Amino acid sequence: QQQVKQSPQSLIVQKGGIPIINCAYENTAFDYFPWYQQFPGKGPALLIAIRPDVSEKKEGRFTISFNKSAKQFSLHIMDSQPGDSATYFCATRAQAGTALIFGKGTTLSVSS
Amino acid sequence: GAVVSQHPSRVICKSGTSVKIECRSLDFQATTMFWYRQFPKQSLMLMATSNEGSKATYEQGVEKDKFLINHASLTLSTLTVTSAHPEDSSFYICSARDLTTSYGYTFGSGTRLTVV
Repeated sequence: QQQVKQSPQSLIVQKGGIPIINCAYENTAFDYFPWYQQFPGKGPALLIAIRPDVSEKKEGRFTISFNKSAKQFSLHIMDSQPGDSATYFCATRAQAGTALIFGKGTTLSVSS
Repeated sequence: GAVVSQHPSRVICKSGTSVKIECRSLDFQATTMFWYRQFPKQSLMLMATSNEGSKATYEQGVEKDKFLINHASLTLSTLTVTSAHPEDSSFYICSARDLTTSYGYTFGSGTRLTVV
C-alpha cells in the first residue's frame, strides 16, 4: 500500500516556468513533509520541508504548500532553470525517529 | 551542515562474493541510520533501520542474512551484501538523522553496486 502518492510522474517546462509537483498522504499522524532533489548517480538532497502546523513555506525559489484537511502537499519551483532538471521526491514519516517514506518521484525537465 | 559520507561510490563484484558499503556521519553522531535501495528510475525503498549497538530492523521482504548491517559506533554503519547475485545490482543509499537540527535527515551520495 503506497502511503505517499506523487504526481505527475514526469514534467516538462520551459525556462522561467513554474512546475508544480503534488503529493497526497493517507496517515494523519505523519508529522514531517520534506521534498528532496536527486541528480543521476547521486543521493537525494533536502530542498525544503514543512511541518503540519504551517500552510506554506518558502525558501528561495522553492515553495511548499500544505493542505492538512486534504492531506496534500505540493512543491512549486519559481523561475525554473535548466539546472533544476532532476528527479524530485516528496517524503514523510510515520513518527519521530523513523525512516522517511518516499513518493515514486517526478522527473522534471526544464528546457532552455 | 550535517554530512554523511558513503563509500565506495561504485563497486563491481563477481557473483557469489560479498561487498561491504560504509556510511559515516562526519560531523554529528547518528544513533540511527537507515539503508535504502533504489532501482533505476524508481523510488527509494527502505531496507532496514540500524541503531547503534543493537540489531538492525529489516523491512518485510529484505533478507537479513543476505544484507548484514552493523552499527558499531555513533558515526559508522556498514551494509554487507553477502553472496551477491546479479539481481542485487542496485543503488544503495544510507541516511542518518542529525538530532542537532530540526527534523533533518541527511543522505549519503550512494553506492552503485554491479554484480557480474
